[in-house]
Amino acid sequence: AQTVTQSQPEMSVQEAETVTLSCTYDTSENNYYLFWYKQPPSRQMILVIRQEAYKQQNATENRFSVNFQKAAKSFSLKISDSQLGDTAMYFCAFMKPSDNAGNNRKLIWGLGTSLAVNP
Amino acid sequence: DTGVSQDPRHKITKRGQNVTFRCDPISEHNRLYWYRQTLGQGPEFLTYFQNEAQLEKSRLLSDRFSAERPKGSFSTLEIQRTEQGDSAMYLCASSSRERLYNEQFFGPGTRLTVL
Repeated sequence: AQTVTQSQPEMSVQEAETVTLSCTYDTSENNYYLFWYKQPPSRQMILVIRQEAYKQQNATENRFSVNFQKAAKSFSLKISDSQLGDTAMYFCAFMKPSDNAGNNRKLIWGLGTSLAVNP
Repeated sequence: DTGVSQDPRHKITKRGQNVTFRCDPISEHNRLYWYRQTLGQGPEFLTYFQNEAQLEKSRLLSDRFSAERPKGSFSTLEIQRTEQGDSAMYLCASSSRERLYNEQFFGPGTRLTVL
């Protein structure tokens, strides 16, 4: 069974600084998808960034980038130029490719990291 | 694109009562998911629909839980004989077959409190 581990329950960063959130996962699959989702206080979950395992190039979305190390099964999120609006819970999630019957589309989640951006 | 909506946003019930939640996915999305999130935890998968077919159910979904998506549009999640352990945020998400990476879009959730 796949598992996702986020070892940092809480982190804080000063505004405009850079912070890295860690995520490791366990799977025997060769191809899969990895995601970082953000859940601001009392607001809904939104996708931050995604990565396909077969792509060696690390994904980047504006101030957000990942360091994907497939052999180490590590998928960390780097937030550059942190902003107050980045304060949220950040969840790392894993998805297997679907089978022919359309199964395996569920996300498997870590416990999350609570990030506080301080002014 | 109006996003995924869920109703109600909050529900307080007494132990033993039945509750039903509704999820309206993004209109062109054919896939719909239910997750449960307890305080301080990540979401846990409950069930998944492709159109009106329920393709996958978690073992977490006991026989007190039932989900439907009768016309492949909105979905309902019913919990019978609620227990205090059912208190959680129930999240609905939807995705489109045509969209790469199967990105799931989430609703605001229904927070259930069982007294």
